[in-house]
Amino acid sequence: AQKVTQAQTEISVVEKEDVTLDCVYETRDTTYYLFWYKQPPSGELVFLIRRNSFDEQNEISGRYSWNFQKSTSSFNFTITASQVVDSAVYFCALSGLPNFGNEKLTFGTGTRLTIIP
Amino acid sequence: GAGVSQTPSNKVTEKGKYVELRCDPISGHTALYWYRQSLGQGPEFLIYFQGTGAADDSGLPNDRFFAVRPEGSVSTLKIQRTERGDSAVYLCASSLAGGRGNEQFFGPGTRLTVL
Repeated sequence: AQKVTQAQTEISVVEKEDVTLDCVYETRDTTYYLFWYKQPPSGELVFLIRRNSFDEQNEISGRYSWNFQKSTSSFNFTITASQVVDSAVYFCALSGLPNFGNEKLTFGTGTRLTIIP
Repeated sequence: GAGVSQTPSNKVTEKGKYVELRCDPISGHTALYWYRQSLGQGPEFLIYFQGTGAADDSGLPNDRFFAVRPEGSVSTLKIQRTERGDSAVYLCASSLAGGRGNEQFFGPGTRLTVL
């Protein structure tokens, strides 16, 4: 069975501070994909990043960066110089080895991030 | 281009009634997923379609839930004899043919409230 744990339920930081959202996953698959989605107050899930299990290189996209560590089964997300527009619920998700193409996502419970102006 | 659309955006019904929720995926996306998101939780998988067929319905909670995708594009999630516990946001997502860790694009969801 697959499982994603986001231990931080809510985080508040002052604007311009850096913040890291933690994600720990469990899977028995050797090939899998990890995702981060953002859910702003409007409710629509917005894709942020996808990583496959064979690529442990960290990735940076503007103010966003991701740290994938297979040894600790973690896929953490850091926002640098946070802005009020970053306020949202962030979900980490996992999809396993596709079965008939099925890449159903297993989501964590999410971390509600509030950026205080 | 147009994203995933879902109708209605909100649905209020009474316990015991039948409801249908519609999803219109991105054109050309053969994979379609339904998820359910309860308050304060992450989305939970319900059912997956590849083309017209339901390839995995293991997430449907019971036989009151059923979904179809007769022409391989629009999908309808049907809930019979609704219960208060069915209240949630129902999300639809679509992606290109599965098997490559393709990004799933989500619709805005249908908020179902069962009174």
